[in-house]
Amino acid sequence: GAVVSQHPSRVICKSGTSVKIECRSLDFQATTMFWYRQFPKQSLMLMATSNEGSKATYEQGVEKDKFLINHASLTLSTLTVTSAHPEDSSFYICSASRGRDEQFFGPGTRLTVL
Amino acid sequence: GNSVTQMEGPVTLSEEAFLTINCTYTATGYPSLFWYVQYPGEGLQLLLKATKADDKGSNKGFEATYRKETTSFHLEKGSVQVSDSAVYFCALSDQDGGSNYKLTFGKGTLLTVNP
Repeated sequence: GAVVSQHPSRVICKSGTSVKIECRSLDFQATTMFWYRQFPKQSLMLMATSNEGSKATYEQGVEKDKFLINHASLTLSTLTVTSAHPEDSSFYICSASRGRDEQFFGPGTRLTVL
Repeated sequence: GNSVTQMEGPVTLSEEAFLTINCTYTATGYPSLFWYVQYPGEGLQLLLKATKADDKGSNKGFEATYRKETTSFHLEKGSVQVSDSAVYFCALSDQDGGSNYKLTFGKGTLLTVNP
């Protein structure tokens, strides 16, 4: 149990376009979902925390107008990178929580902006 | 604020060698502690956890004991295998002042096991 999926696993887009990444909890209801960004050979940086039906809480330094997060249901959260630029290229990972301290991670999405 | 410090890698071992990856933490509350493993190109998988002092987490031959007196959660394995090659992250979970639990990660340690 506690499986989290992400789609797509890889995406390549042109500079200036928007990209949507989906995160789904497949076999449980996630009260909270988290979005992380990971640079090569580095740790995970928390971008935002989202609770179903409410606005996401962004970490300091993360542009909320650039990284739009929607958590429409207890099993789905989306991250939209708007007007993507090459510096947004990264590995984006989501996780989901059932309300306790353990998070279950998705397999990640590799975004490359040309 | 909370922080996690783990030994910097990379760590290179021969198969069947003993593994220790050190992890210490700073926290204002009473955190749970975790070790996650990340294989190349993949997300994180929970390896083991401990929720209170003196708890020992174990899985797949890996162990770590929650030491409150030394604020440590060192990862150990008696005999590593080539398939253990991955990046290992130490993390703590604590409430953020609201109702959410947030993870704070160490920088990760790359382990390479050679046959």
